[in-house]
Amino acid sequence: SAVISQKPSRDICQRGTSLTIQCQVDSQVTMMFWYRQQPGQSLTLIATANQGSEATYESGFVIDKFPISRPNLTFSTLTVSNMSPEDSSIYLCSVEGLNGVEWNEQFFGPGTRLTVL
Amino acid sequence: AQKVTQAQTEISVVEKEDVTLDCVYETRDTTYYLFWYKQPPSGELVFLIRRNSFDEQNEISGRYSWNFQKSTSSFNFTITASQVVDSAVYFCALSEVQGAQKLVFGQGTRLTINP
Repeated sequence: SAVISQKPSRDICQRGTSLTIQCQVDSQVTMMFWYRQQPGQSLTLIATANQGSEATYESGFVIDKFPISRPNLTFSTLTVSNMSPEDSSIYLCSVEGLNGVEWNEQFFGPGTRLTVL
Repeated sequence: AQKVTQAQTEISVVEKEDVTLDCVYETRDTTYYLFWYKQPPSGELVFLIRRNSFDEQNEISGRYSWNFQKSTSSFNFTITASQVVDSAVYFCALSEVQGAQKLVFGQGTRLTINP
């Protein structure tokens, strides 16, 4: 499996500010995804982070609110923009296709626990 | 559209009891993957198993076993001789084989094992 790290692990932010979350993998991966887990809820896919191109967003999520970057095969960032208390969630990155193989086994980072006041 | 239903919101059992977590799914795809993940109180998501839709054999891994029945679109998870460390939220998930392989998660079942 891959070693996945996320920064920050948790943060408390003020309404109206933005936070960028980093996801770093110790090996090259084909796919990277960003999920949101609202308090007491299941995980919902925000977007697929595409290397070298714009992310693919799921219904209900837009680039202006959740801009995503993926400059290479081991790193991605998710920004939560103009935050409101409703954005308080755990944000998780996941990866698939470790070193080009092992399709359809997704591994998750430890998550970033965000609280917006 | 794909959908995963975990009807049991919470389960509480006494240690050493066996417990089964139910998962029912919907998909129009003929090929797909099914997953189970464990989320302990610390919050990280731990991969437990992946099952290809072509493989209906049941699987056993230590105290864990999985029963995949395509005829009823179910992929149930059983923990035998449960332990306190098994306490967690368990998620069942589904992904397509082609395309982006994004995961569709069920709502999760919170399992509490009491000593």
